Amino acid sequence: QVQLQQSGPELVKPGASVKMSCKASGYTFTDYVISWVKQRTGQGLEWIGEIYPGSGSTYYNEKFKGKATLTADKSSNTAYMQLSSLTSEDSAVYFCAREGERAYWGQGTLVTVSA
Amino acid sequence: NIVLTQSPASLAVSLGQRATISCRASESVDSYGNSFMHWYQQKPGQPPKLLIYLASNLESGVPARFSGSGSRTDFTLTIDPVEADDAATYYCQQNNEDTWTFGGGTKLEIK
Repeated sequence: QVQLQQSGPELVKPGASVKMSCKASGYTFTDYVISWVKQRTGQGLEWIGEIYPGSGSTYYNEKFKGKATLTADKSSNTAYMQLSSLTSEDSAVYFCAREGERAYWGQGTLVTVSA
Repeated sequence: NIVLTQSPASLAVSLGQRATISCRASESVDSYGNSFMHWYQQKPGQPPKLLIYLASNLESGVPARFSGSGSRTDFTLTIDPVEADDAATYYCQQNNEDTWTFGGGTKLEIK
């Protein structure tokens, strides 16, 4: 069955960067786009961007250009998202999701930005 | 970008009654014979749970009390009858044209 296993919670200092992972299983990794979604506590869902692991092509929500960098490692079936120059506004849960006729979601990675 | 306007923002429905949530898109989300509109349920501390995909397809394991309808720009999620476990926030989401956008969410309270 399709599964997306995300990395654990992160506590990072303001101004630093963080890189989180999303390991896929149960399907051919290079055949489906992976999207990333942000959710701040008590807030709605915000699409960050997507990567096509087969080619490495990416497409970003304009709001997250320069903030998020999406990559994928075909050898380990893992997608990554790096967030840079972190501020308190980046404290959130970040989800990865596999696109397709119906989406499959990871469990989320909590990022807390605090000194 | 396609904007999704969800209504109402909150809703209180008596146990056993019907709940109806609407989602309006700023432009059509239809392509290739499909409506790229999906509905999710989210409870605190959990990832979104897919209920309905491609406007009207019930996700496996989701009770038949949930149904979706609509096309182009106007979509509806119906829960009938509501149960206590349905208390949650519901989101519509579109993924036409290689981008995703979400509605603002509807918080459902069960009376």
